[in-house]
Amino acid sequence: AQTVTQSQPEMSVQEAETVTLSCTYDTSESNYYLFWYKQPPSRQMILVIRQEAYKQQNATENRFSVNFQKAAKSFSLKISDSQLGDTAMYFCALEGSLGNEKLTFGTGTRLTIIP
Amino acid sequence: GAVVSQHPSRVICKSGTSVKIECRSLDFQATTMFWYRQFPKQSLMLMATSNEGSKATYEQGVEKDKFLINHASLTLSTLTVTSAHPEDSSFYICSAPRGGLPDTQYFGPGTRLTVL
Repeated sequence: AQTVTQSQPEMSVQEAETVTLSCTYDTSESNYYLFWYKQPPSRQMILVIRQEAYKQQNATENRFSVNFQKAAKSFSLKISDSQLGDTAMYFCALEGSLGNEKLTFGTGTRLTIIP
Repeated sequence: GAVVSQHPSRVICKSGTSVKIECRSLDFQATTMFWYRQFPKQSLMLMATSNEGSKATYEQGVEKDKFLINHASLTLSTLTVTSAHPEDSSFYICSAPRGGLPDTQYFGPGTRLTVL
């Protein structure tokens, strides 16, 4: 069975600062995919960034980057120059590579950006 | 980008009635769709996998006779909550994988169900 753990229920940071959200996971598969999704107050799930486990290079998307440590099964999200629009719930998710496409979600981290 | 829609966005019904929620992939075909349930301030819990042309696959603990899923076409899956009760009140979200590697899922905007 796959598990995803987010140990930070809530975080807050001043606007323009950098914040890191942590995520650890467990899977028996050798290849898999990791995602960070954002859920703002509108409740619409939005893909922030994704990482293929077979790629050593950390994924980046503008102000968002990940620190993927495969051996430690860690997948943290760094948000640089945080903006008020970054306020949301952030979910870490894991998808296996066996073709079933099921996502296993963590419990989420509520991030608040303080003006 | 890919768009997934849900209808209705919000529904209020009386206890004992049935409610149908539609999930549509607007600009791509999806042989598989997923239905999630989300309680306030909690994570998404997968309920079932909807498969076009075949029976849905339900997660452990989900009553298949209560949550009927029909994947009638490559762009439409429906979730029917039968004989709804107040404890069925929740936020229901669907997703559809567009394909490609990695297979990224696109989420609908969700449906808030309130059972009185």
